[in-house]
Parts: sequence; structure tokens; C-alpha cells
Amino acid sequence: DAGVTQSPTHLIKTRGQQVTLRCSPKSGHDTVSWYQQALGQGPQFIFQYYEEEERQRGNFPDRFSGHQYPNYSSELNVNALLLGDSALYLCASSPGPSGLAYEQYFGPGTRLTVT
Amino acid sequence: GQQVMQIPQYQHVQEGEDFTTYCNSSTTLSNIQWYKQRPGGHPVFLIQLVKSGEVKKQKRLTFQFGEAKKNSSLHITATQTTDVGTYFCAGPLNTGTASKLTFGTGTRLQVML
Repeated sequence: DAGVTQSPTHLIKTRGQQVTLRCSPKSGHDTVSWYQQALGQGPQFIFQYYEEEERQRGNFPDRFSGHQYPNYSSELNVNALLLGDSALYLCASSPGPSGLAYEQYFGPGTRLTVT
Repeated sequence: GQQVMQIPQYQHVQEGEDFTTYCNSSTTLSNIQWYKQRPGGHPVFLIQLVKSGEVKKQKRLTFQFGEAKKNSSLHITATQTTDVGTYFCAGPLNTGTASKLTFGTGTRLQVML
């Protein structure tokens, strides 16, 4: 049973560029959440997707957008990258629409470096 | 704003000593979750507490949820080197009509031989 997978593992981008990160949830899970984790900090909630719609959103600007596909996989897009966007981006899946009340299964993350 | 704080930020212990991390929320939580993140790894779910005053044990780990559901603690008895990592509490904080899972600031545990 595959857990949560994310790609790519590492990514280096230049300021102003755009990036797309991908996530496949754990088998049987239909809810995907994205988190940003800066070095030495706890994960910060970006948004959550269920039934291909954004259901919850954290305090992140519109430069951060996402998508969920019918197979429950998800993408995180970040436009106009800033140096401050450098972080570990974590995808987490959970069962059911009330994702925040369930344990989150995290993927290994994508380390994004913006230069 | 609404937040979840943890103390201490860092803890160095000798192997075999006990360890406790405390989590405090600015608002009442419907549930509290605990995660462990090893260096270079990703958060791994440990447990969820839902009821006021709830206490749960997992081998050497004891988790408590406060009576007011605004604080929680994780206690590790007789630490081992395998306990090294950062421990996060997390709870759903309401933001208007929605709620978002908010992670605490974390406590980094280092175990020395």
C-alpha cells in the first residue's frame, strides 16, 4: 500500500518564476492538504482540497493555487516566486471531507529553493 | 491572532531521562494531534486526543488533553536515541466559517548517550 508520494524531491527556481508541485494521496484517501514548512518552523496550512474543490485556506496570498484531479491527486502552483517561498512543501492526505479532524498522512515533501 | 505555542523550544536530555513538552492554544480545540518529525524527515502522526481530560499511552509515551481543551502535553519516559526529533502538537483553529489545522512551534528533542 503506497503512502503519500510527492514530486519532485528537490527544486531550484529563480525569483519571479512559477512552480508546480505534485502529490498523490495514500490509497483510500480523498482529501489532500498542502503545508509550507520553513526551516526550524512548524508546518503552515496552505489549503485543503476535497472533491476537486478548495475547501479550506490558510493565510497565503493568491500566488498560491492548487488543483485536485478526479483520481484525488493534487497540484500546488506558486506564481511569481519570492525568496521567502523557499521551504519544504508538504502534502498530506486524510480520509473524508472533515480532513482536519483526521490524522494527516504526510508525504516526504518537496524542498523548494528560490534564488 | 489564534495560535498554538509549545515549550520548551529545545530540550537536551541524557538517554534514560524523562522528557515533557507542553502545548498551549489561545482557543478551545475540538481535538489535538501530536506528530513527530525526525531530522530531514516529514511529520508522522502519533496520536489524536478528543475528550476533555483524556490521557492516552503508547509504550513510553503519555499524552494528555487539558480539562479546558486548550492545552496538552507529551511525556516520554526513559528516553532513547530513537526518540530524537521534533514533536509538534496541532489542532484545528477556527477562522470564520472554516478551520485550519494549526501546528505548534515544536519542541526539538536531542538525546545524548
